[in-house]
Amino acid sequence: AQRVTQPEKLLSVFKGAPVELKCNYSYSGSPELFWYVQYSRQRLQLLLRHISRESIKGFTADLNKGETSFHLKKPFAQEEDSAMYYCALTGGGNKLTFGTGTQLKVEL
Amino acid sequence: EPEVTQTPSHQVTQMGQEVILRCVPISNHLYFYWYRQILGQKVEFLVSFYNNEISEKSEIFDDQFSVERPDGSNFTLKIRSTKLEDSAMYFCASSPKGTDGYTFGSGTRLTVV
Repeated sequence: AQRVTQPEKLLSVFKGAPVELKCNYSYSGSPELFWYVQYSRQRLQLLLRHISRESIKGFTADLNKGETSFHLKKPFAQEEDSAMYYCALTGGGNKLTFGTGTQLKVEL
Repeated sequence: EPEVTQTPSHQVTQMGQEVILRCVPISNHLYFYWYRQILGQKVEFLVSFYNNEISEKSEIFDDQFSVERPDGSNFTLKIRSTKLEDSAMYFCASSPKGTDGYTFGSGTRLTVV
C-alpha cells in the first residue's frame, strides 16, 4: 500500500527564515515523489518532482530512501510562499497518493 | 499555458439527486483523472481513464460513480444518487503520459443538502 505522511498541519515562519516541510512515505517499491502547491483559491500546481532534481522558486527536496523522506526546503521564506503544500507519490502507475497537506504561513 | 477547465465551480444538489461534473482536459493529453477532497481531509484518487476506458479506480469509486468521455473534449464524472458524504471538492486532472505533465483543474465544490 502507498502512504504519505505530512505531520504538520500548519507551519508558521517569519520572512527570511528557513523552511522545512516534512514528508514521509511508505511504499515497498521505488516510488516517484512530488510536491504540489495550492495558493489561495487556485488550483493544485506541481512544484517539483524528485526525478528532475531541479529547484523551483528556491525550493528543493531530496529523496532519502533510508529514512523514506522527501522533505521540502527553502533557505529563506518569502511572503508569497504562503500556501498549502502537498507531498504525493506514485508507485509505478499514474495514481497520485497525497499527504494531508501542510499550510505554510510566512509572517512579516 | 494550457489549462484543465472544470464546470461548474460550485454545485449544490439535494440528497438522492444525480449530478454531473464536467471537465475539459488539455487537448493533447491522453490520461484523465478524477480526485476528490472532503473538507479538512487529503486529496484522494477516484479514477483514471485512458483509451476510452477506466484504467484504475479506488474503493471509493463504487457503482454510484461513472465517468464518460462523451466527445473529443469533455470528461465527465456522474454521481447517480448523491449522499451527504459526497460533499467535497472534486478535481479533474489530465496528463499526456503517465505522471509527466500532470495538470489539475481548479475544482468543483459539490455540496449535497
